[in-house]
Amino acid sequence: EAGVAQSPRYKIIEKRQSVAFWCNPISGHATLYWYQQILGQGPKLLIQFQNNGVVDDSQLPKDRFSAERLKGVDSTLKIQPAKLEDSAVYLCASSFPFSGNTIYFGEGSWLTVV
Amino acid sequence: DAKTTQPNSMESNEEEPVHLPCNHSTISGTDYIHWYRQLPSQGPEYVIHGLTSNVNNRMASLAIAEDRKSSTLILHRATLRDAAVYYCILRRNQGGKLIFGQGTELSVKP
Repeated sequence: EAGVAQSPRYKIIEKRQSVAFWCNPISGHATLYWYQQILGQGPKLLIQFQNNGVVDDSQLPKDRFSAERLKGVDSTLKIQPAKLEDSAVYLCASSFPFSGNTIYFGEGSWLTVV
Repeated sequence: DAKTTQPNSMESNEEEPVHLPCNHSTISGTDYIHWYRQLPSQGPEYVIHGLTSNVNNRMASLAIAEDRKSSTLILHRATLRDAAVYYCILRRNQGGKLIFGQGTELSVKP
């Protein structure tokens, strides 16, 4: 079974530039999460989708971050303009929606803002 | 809101059992308890999950308190490859929200 695919794996940008991360979840998974993980900390939820609808985006900095999952399959997370404090790993995860289902995480996209 | 609490770090000797605790006193009746681990430079990896009964799989065992307010992940014989950050996560049945603990960094000494 193919896992959660994320790209790019690594990205270095200057502050005020923009960046986009892509996630392709496991086939059939309706639930998709984007997490931000700063070095040495636990993951922090940015946004959760159920199919193409947003379930929770309460911690998404909407002035600079946006995410979409237009066809309810793959998803894109964008940051524009980037700040130094956005340097982190961006993790995508997917699952069937039941709380007893396993959640599968991608390898993450590492962002460094200089 | 529900939260999980874990020790920041633990140490173990190789080939000895390890018990990683997690407190989740505000757990709701339909929340599942999930455990994941994260190796350096990788995404979190599934270890085990359960609702009320103790669970065993090839990686570990999960002991859930009768009142469900705490759980313990048990690695029966720690190996050097088990050195990782272990996260205790509650998954809400309503909406599927994940509630992460701060993680326990497990180090394993040869």
